[in-house]
Amino acid sequence: DTGVSQDPRHKITKRGQNVTFRCDPISEHNRLYWYRQTLGQGPEFLTYFQNEAQLEKSRLLSDRFSAERPKGSFSTLEIQRTEQGDSAMYLCASSLAPAGAPRSEQFFGPGTRLTVL
Amino acid sequence: SQKIEQNSEALNIQEGKTATLTCNYTNYSPAYLQWYRQDPGRGPVFLLLIRENEKEKRKERLKVTFDTTLKQSLFHITASQPADSATYLCALAYYGGSQGNLIFGKGTKLSVKP
Repeated sequence: DTGVSQDPRHKITKRGQNVTFRCDPISEHNRLYWYRQTLGQGPEFLTYFQNEAQLEKSRLLSDRFSAERPKGSFSTLEIQRTEQGDSAMYLCASSLAPAGAPRSEQFFGPGTRLTVL
Repeated sequence: SQKIEQNSEALNIQEGKTATLTCNYTNYSPAYLQWYRQDPGRGPVFLLLIRENEKEKRKERLKVTFDTTLKQSLFHITASQPADSATYLCALAYYGGSQGNLIFGKGTKLSVKP
């Protein structure tokens, strides 16, 4: 399977704990995106990378959230001191687009469902 | 404020009929609009993209229209089947936005009854 993969698929944690999610994009894709989705809502943009550079962060991404893509391949999203409001599906997507080119379709992973107790 | 709205949370139709889903936006200058399908517990799957200077796009039983005057996109599924039952999301990329940022609507849950 050469699609976008995410790990873990489910995570249950207690409030105040730190969690880290991993995303492996489609191998030739240079752009990687993180979204958050809650029940009954569409995905909300969090941040995106062009290769290893993090080019934009949403205002939704508080200081407790950090994302990395160290070698321009896989990415991690860490949430520190989790709160119950962080409970959501965290989606990763990737796309292939040269720098400055118009945005293109995004390929989504299955998501990581986070539950904060 | 900028908004993107899908006017129906749910749409129920009979098998064989055409499903029409609506996506409206305000206060954006759209570059293009995309439609995705999402099944429960899964990530969205890309269906179609239509650019601001295009009126219509087709792919098999799917058709998308884009009217920048009405600020609206319509998504049609002809000869609908129960397997088409899912949530359909519209997503907009706009001028002045970042290269990475898609704005999604809340989605319309389509149910096709046999």
